[in-house]
Amino acid sequence: KAGVTQTPRYLIKTRGQQVTLSCSPISGHRSVSWYQQTPGQGLQFLFEYFSETQRNKGNFPGRFSGRQFSNSRSEMNVSTLELGDSALYLCASSLQDPAKNIQYFGAGTRLSVL
Amino acid sequence: DQQVKQNSPSLSVQEGRISILNCDYTNSMFDYFLWYKKYPAEGPTFLISISSIKDKNEDGRFTVFLNKSAKHLSLHIVPSQPGDSAVYFCAASSNFGNEKLTFGTGTRLTIIP
Repeated sequence: KAGVTQTPRYLIKTRGQQVTLSCSPISGHRSVSWYQQTPGQGLQFLFEYFSETQRNKGNFPGRFSGRQFSNSRSEMNVSTLELGDSALYLCASSLQDPAKNIQYFGAGTRLSVL
Repeated sequence: DQQVKQNSPSLSVQEGRISILNCDYTNSMFDYFLWYKKYPAEGPTFLISISSIKDKNEDGRFTVFLNKSAKHLSLHIVPSQPGDSAVYFCAASSNFGNEKLTFGTGTRLTIIP
């Protein structure tokens, strides 16, 4: 069974640009969560999608958005990039409720904003 | 507001000895706790979990202890092996309200051969 796939693995952007990150969950998993990891901050929850609906959202500005497609693949978009958006963005999938089911993580997309 | 705290950013342990990683939480509604391990250039992988109805859960070399009154959990690795060198994250969730995982900031464990 293929794991969670995130593309691209690395991205370099400049301030003010926008970026779209992609996540393909494990086959059969309907829940996809996104996290931002920065040094000293751990994994900060961005949002969670289930069956194309955003079920949960973290404390991030509206520049961060996402969506989920009918095949459970998910995309995350960040508009008007800021230097502080440089981070590792992780996607995780689970069968249903991510709070009570094991989440399986992708390797992440490392975003550098110059 | 960091609801899940790992106060030790790093820990070094001799191979063969016990590694103890600690985690504190502030939200008394948390009732499910997990530990994840992360190697460089890889995503975190699930290690072990514990429900609040238990105070201990064991899986091979890994044991998690939960002290609800102190709002504290710990992960014990015995014996420690070089392959255990990684960053360890604890995470917690609640059955009520916001059903998401809240992660700690991580502890980098280094096993010295």
